[in-house]
Amino acid sequence: NAGVTQTPKFQVLKTGQSMTLQCAQDMNHNSMYWYRQDPGMGLRLIYYSASEGTTDKGEVPNGYNVSRLNKREFSLRLESAAPSQTSVYFCASRISPGEQFFGPGTRLTVL
Amino acid sequence: AQSVTQPDIHITVSEGASLELRCNYSYGATPYLFWYVQSPGQGLQLLLKYFSGDTLVQGIKGFEAEFKRSQSSFNLRKPSVHWSDAAEYFCAVGPYGAGNNRKLIWGLGTSLAVNP
Repeated sequence: NAGVTQTPKFQVLKTGQSMTLQCAQDMNHNSMYWYRQDPGMGLRLIYYSASEGTTDKGEVPNGYNVSRLNKREFSLRLESAAPSQTSVYFCASRISPGEQFFGPGTRLTVL
Repeated sequence: AQSVTQPDIHITVSEGASLELRCNYSYGATPYLFWYVQSPGQGLQLLLKYFSGDTLVQGIKGFEAEFKRSQSSFNLRKPSVHWSDAAEYFCAVGPYGAGNNRKLIWGLGTSLAVNP
């Protein structure tokens, strides 16, 4: 089992460019999450998906969109990247109530 | 309002010394409590969790934590720290939300440095 995989690991974008961060899990979990991590801010929830076909906004959804393509995959899209979106992005899936399994992260820089 | 506070932003200990990281929470019901660890450049890994029962829980890597309802705390401890324990530690409480829409409330983290 690979657990939670994220691609790419690193990305540099120019302001206004778009990109999609990919996340996949092979643990048959229903719920999946996207977080961003910034220094001094801890983890902030961007979007989550309780099950295939459903998505909901978290704390900081502005500037992002998500797609729960199937049970395995949950992608995060930046339509027009801004420097404020420079961050480390983590995908996670839920093992049990509250217990989450994290991917290795994507380090995104927006110039 | 539900919240998690980790009072110590940064802690430095010597290798071999004991460690206690503090976590206080505000939560309307009996919480599920978690400690996660993030090594440099890595994702988060679950150290231990408390759902119910014995208030002293054991985790991986020699860590333990004690749930104290009267103090709304869930402090993480280790008797003897190793250099490889240098990492960021996050306390989390939850879940909140209905049905399958379960989310966690995260603390801001405590950065642990270990002196040789």
